[in-house]
Amino acid sequence: GAVVSQHPSRVICKSGTSVKIECRSLDFQATTMFWYRQFPKQSLMLMATSNEGSKATYEQGVEKDKFLINHASLTLSTLTVTSAHPEDSSFYICSARDRIRAGLNYGYTFGSGTRLTVV
Amino acid sequence: DAKTTQPTSMDCAEGRAANLPCNHSTISGNEYVYWYRQIHSQGPQYIIHGLKNNETNEMASLIITEDRKSSTLILPHATLRDTAVYYCIVSTPSAGNMLTFGGGTRLMVKP
Repeated sequence: GAVVSQHPSRVICKSGTSVKIECRSLDFQATTMFWYRQFPKQSLMLMATSNEGSKATYEQGVEKDKFLINHASLTLSTLTVTSAHPEDSSFYICSARDRIRAGLNYGYTFGSGTRLTVV
Repeated sequence: DAKTTQPTSMDCAEGRAANLPCNHSTISGNEYVYWYRQIHSQGPQYIIHGLKNNETNEMASLIITEDRKSSTLILPHATLRDTAVYYCIVSTPSAGNMLTFGGGTRLMVKP
């Protein structure tokens, strides 16, 4: 089945530093990947849509200069939280869909998430 | 994407069937119903999806009403490991379409 690998699973960083989170589709190609953020006891909120070879599309209220997204290949998207602050502490999750099997209405596959703590 | 309404929480006895309802009264003709679940501190896991026919796989069954305004996810023999938040989402099956998550139902399976 489709597998999405997300790394790291946990990261603690100091305030003001930057953190990069990787999302890889292991056995399929994904022209589009999605980045979500989830605060404790809340649902997933879409942050941005990452398109291979082009700029990401950000949801309203999400600062594109703070959350840098790079989708350099059909199997890799990265999210960099720049100048992180304690309020950026959250659970970040990526999602991707097999572009070849998409026409067969297969579901989206999610990464295991990254717990970011900014101290 | 159409909005969905789910109960906030439900309990189920271990070994019994868990029936999780979802209302999606504004669903449009080309939107599918997807079910995902999220176990604590993990990414969401795909369970099942359907358009209008009932569907069954190794994890669950999906019953969609004839008017498609509601559906029910059935876990036939719930186990403690099925304790999770279950999300019902409606979306069109375009590869570029994201999934919009509502509040979901927190299912607690009890011994």
